[in-house]
Amino acid sequence: KAGVTQTPRYLIKTRGQQVTLSCSPISGHRSVSWYQQTPGQGLQFLFEYFSETQRNKGNFPGRFSGRQFSNSRSEMNVSTLELGDSALYLCASSFGGESNQPQHFGDGTRLSIL
Amino acid sequence: GENVEQHPSTLSVQEGDSAVIKCTYSDSASNYFPWYKQELGKGPQLIIDIRSNVGEKKDQRIAVTLNKTAKHFSLHITETQPEDSAVYFCAAGGTSYDKVIFGPGTSLSVIP
Repeated sequence: KAGVTQTPRYLIKTRGQQVTLSCSPISGHRSVSWYQQTPGQGLQFLFEYFSETQRNKGNFPGRFSGRQFSNSRSEMNVSTLELGDSALYLCASSFGGESNQPQHFGDGTRLSIL
Repeated sequence: GENVEQHPSTLSVQEGDSAVIKCTYSDSASNYFPWYKQELGKGPQLIIDIRSNVGEKKDQRIAVTLNKTAKHFSLHITETQPEDSAVYFCAAGGTSYDKVIFGPGTSLSVIP
């Protein structure tokens, strides 16, 4: 069974640009969550989608947005990139039908802002 | 707000010894406590989880304990091996669907 797939693995952008990251969940999983990981702040929750609807949102500015498609694949978008957005962005999926199903992570997209 | 503390931040043990990582959480409504292992260049891997209706859970060399009254939970790894070297994260959830709050992580080094 294939795991969570995130593309691309690495991205380099400059300040002011925007970026879109992609996540394909494990087959059968309907919930997708996004996290930002940095050395200083650790793993921080961005948002969670289930059946194309955002169910949860963390404390990030509106520049961070996401969506989920009918096949459960998800995208995350960051607009007007800032230097502080440099991080590893992780996606996790779960069955999502009930609260707190085990989440399985992809290997992330490493975003560097120059 | 919701917060998860984790100690120690770094831990070195000799191969074959035990390792213990401790976490505390602030939200008394939390009822799901997963543990993740993250190796360099990889995403976190779920290694064990526990729900609030049990006090202890074991899986081979790994065990977790939960004290809901004190809002503490711990990871115990016995007979450590060099391949156990990684960063370990505890997390707490249960207040809202799949949202979990992570601790800051413990870097475990197992010395051969």
